[in-house]
Amino acid sequence: DAKTTQPPSMDCAEGRAANLPCNHSTISGNEYVYWYRQIHSQGPQYIIHGLKNNETNEMASLIITEDRKSSTLILPHATLRDTAVYYCIVRVGIYTGNQFYFGTGTSLTVIP
Amino acid sequence: EPEVTQTPSHQVTQMGQEVILRCVPISNHLYFYWYRQILGQKVEFLVSFYNNEISEKSEIFDDQFSVERPDGSNFTLKIRSTKLEDSAMYFCASSAPTKEEAFFGQGTRLTVV
Repeated sequence: DAKTTQPPSMDCAEGRAANLPCNHSTISGNEYVYWYRQIHSQGPQYIIHGLKNNETNEMASLIITEDRKSSTLILPHATLRDTAVYYCIVRVGIYTGNQFYFGTGTSLTVIP
Repeated sequence: EPEVTQTPSHQVTQMGQEVILRCVPISNHLYFYWYRQILGQKVEFLVSFYNNEISEKSEIFDDQFSVERPDGSNFTLKIRSTKLEDSAMYFCASSAPTKEEAFFGQGTRLTVV
């Protein structure tokens, strides 16, 4: 089963930053933190991943605490199209083809 | 931008019939996956495939399921004798050996009646 804990739902005002928390207190040293999202019933979409350093790409930023037991996904300027279910997933290694365990995620609603 | 393509988008089949769900992964990817999502539930892993063999499978992936890469471009999921509880959205995904993320297709909605 998924080894992460996320709040079931959150709201965010359009144009504001959306900060989605995730607890992964049992994460081990070779596990990466991934974030995916699913809009309606579409296929999950990759957002970002990291091991221990903070990461940023064109979609979002990922902040991982120093002890790696929690992380926060930041969407800097949320739009209505960011309304989706966001999944925080821990996964062993990279380049391994290991499966992704999807939990129940956080349902983010961006409000106009 | 390259994408994973799944066909058909929606398939209706009678209980007990065989179905084949088709996927065209991104061309330079070597890892392939099938996931499913029953309506209102979590996305669940079924199977991963690498180097022409199954690398990992879940408890859901029992003897009625099989996967195949019949040629250099397609990746298929076969369900031999469908049951009502097989009704779900089935997602194919692929990943490259030098990239960390998996890319998912838009899914095939399977309805067993």
